[in-house]
Amino acid sequence: EIVLTQSPGTLSLSPGERATLSCRASQNLSSSYLAWYQQKSGQAPRLLIYGASGRATGIPDRFIGSGSGTDFTLTISRLEPEDFAVFYCQQYDTSPITFGQGTRLEIK
Amino acid sequence: QVQLVESGGGLVKPGGSLRLSCAASGFTFSDYYMSWIRQAPGKGLEWVSYISYSTSYTNYADSVKGRFTISRDNAKNSLYLQMNSLRTEDTAVYYCARSGWAGEAISWGQGTLVTVSS
Repeated sequence: EIVLTQSPGTLSLSPGERATLSCRASQNLSSSYLAWYQQKSGQAPRLLIYGASGRATGIPDRFIGSGSGTDFTLTISRLEPEDFAVFYCQQYDTSPITFGQGTRLEIK
Repeated sequence: QVQLVESGGGLVKPGGSLRLSCAASGFTFSDYYMSWIRQAPGKGLEWVSYISYSTSYTNYADSVKGRFTISRDNAKNSLYLQMNSLRTEDTAVYYCARSGWAGEAISWGQGTLVTVSS
């Protein structure tokens, strides 16, 4: 099973700042089937990024996915107040599908 | 707009069974893979199972293999999860998700809570 390790565990930033979230896979994702999700408190997750860098429908362009192989990054170029939440990466490159443990993005 | 509404959750004793349902609308149900993903209280996400367009292909997490069965009825735009031999560690919110063929969860329902406790 591919293990995804997200860092940092918690990120404290202010609105307007840039956020960089990391997801490292224990094995190479040969097809770059890596997704990012945002989950706000009490809500279901929402797909942000698929295929490492494809933006899902309706997602603002301040959300940028990048990376390949074993190292992937979600960048939020300029934080808006509504962006603060927990973010999960998911690999669907190899069965079984697995998720990272999450990064909490909190307001500083 | 896409809507996914789960139902069937509740309190069940260890060893018991439960059947979850997910009613889909706002898209052509038979054009999409469908998935179940769960989240234990205060924990992260865990993929449970997915099913192909026409039920010909299913896949399960090792933690539920042999105990859970995913199915769908394209005529009723519905997805199901039959859960048998339930364990306390199966306690979670269960989400239904419209999925890509590779497994990414494009749209999510609001979830239904399953509590396994004596």
